[in-house]
Parts: sequence; C-alpha cells; structure tokens
Amino acid sequence: AQKVTQAQTEISVVEKEDVTLDCVYETRDTTYYLFWYKQPPSGELVFLIRRNSFDEQNEISGRYSWNFQKSTSSFNFTITASQVVDSAVYFCALSQGSARQLTFGSGTQLTVLP
Amino acid sequence: EAGVAQSPRYKIIEKRQSVAFWCNPISGHATLYWYQQILGQGPKLLIQFQNNGVVDDSQLPKDRFSAERLKGVDSTLKIQPAKLEDSAVYLCASSLDDPNTGELFFGEGSRLTVL
Repeated sequence: AQKVTQAQTEISVVEKEDVTLDCVYETRDTTYYLFWYKQPPSGELVFLIRRNSFDEQNEISGRYSWNFQKSTSSFNFTITASQVVDSAVYFCALSQGSARQLTFGSGTQLTVLP
Repeated sequence: EAGVAQSPRYKIIEKRQSVAFWCNPISGHATLYWYQQILGQGPKLLIQFQNNGVVDDSQLPKDRFSAERLKGVDSTLKIQPAKLEDSAVYLCASSLDDPNTGELFFGEGSRLTVL
C-alpha cells in the first residue's frame, strides 16, 4: 500500500519569508512518481511538479524548489520570498505503475500574510 | 486549450435525494478520473476510466454511486440516494494516455452539500 504524509496542517508566514512544506511517502515499488499540486480558493488543483523515482536531482523553478531524498522518503517543497498569492492548500501526491492513480496527502494550508 | 469542465459548481440536496455531476475532459485525453475531496482532506480516487472502459472502481461505493463514460468523452457521476457523509467536492481530472507524462489536469470541482 502507498501512503503520503503531510504533517504540517497549517503554516502561516509573513510575506518575503521562505517556507518549506514537508512530504513523506511510503511505497514498496521501485518505480513511482511524486507530485506537488496547489489548490487555491477557487478549488482547481494546479500541477506544480512531477518527479520520478530515478531522478533525485533537486529542481528549482523561479521561487519554487524541490528536494527529493529517497533515503528518507521525502519530497519537500520550498517557496523562497513568499508572496500573498502563494496562499493556498498544497498537496503532495504519489503514483506508481502505469495506472497513474494519485494518492494524495492531507494537504498543508499555507497563509502568507502581507 | 480548454481545461476540464465540470457542472454544476454547487449543489445542495437533502439526504436520500439523488444528484448527478457532469465532466468534459480535455480534448484528446483518454483517461478520466473522479475524485472525492472531503473538507480538510486530500482527494480520494473514486473511479478511473480509460476511453469508455473502467480501469479501477475499487473505492467507489457501488451501492449508491455510479459513473459512466459513454463514447469515451464526457462522464457522469451519480449519487442515489445521497447520505450526509457524501458532502464533499467531486473533482474530475483527465490525462493523456502516455505513461511518460503522468500529469493530471483537474477541473474546478462540484461542491455537494447534503442536508
């Protein structure tokens, strides 16, 4: 069985602070994919990143960066210099096999205060 | 490119009534998913279609939920009779039938309140 844990239920930061959202996963497969999605108040889940299990290279995209560590089964997400528009619920998700079904964590509500 | 379309956006019904949600995926996307998202939780897969066939419906409460995808395009999710615990957002998603892609595109969801 696969499982995704996002231990941080809510995080509140002041604008321009850096913030890291934690994600820990469990799977028995050697081939799997990890995702981060953003869910703004409108409700639509917005894809941010996909990483496969064979690629542990960290990735940076603008103010966003991701740290994938297989040794600790973690896939953490950092927002640098946070902005009010970053306020949303962020979900980490795991998929394995060809079915591409996502198992989501419970989400982290990020609030960025002006 | 148009995104995943869902309707209605909001629905309020009383328990034991029925409700139906509609989804139109992104053009060309063979795979369609219905997820249920209860307030404060992550989305949970209900059913996955590939074209008009069911790939996985193991988590669909079949005594009250049904879904179909006629002609491999639009899909309808029905709940009959509804229970209080069915109050949730029902998200539809679609993806290309490409094992190297893996990205799901989600609609804005249909929020159901059961009184």
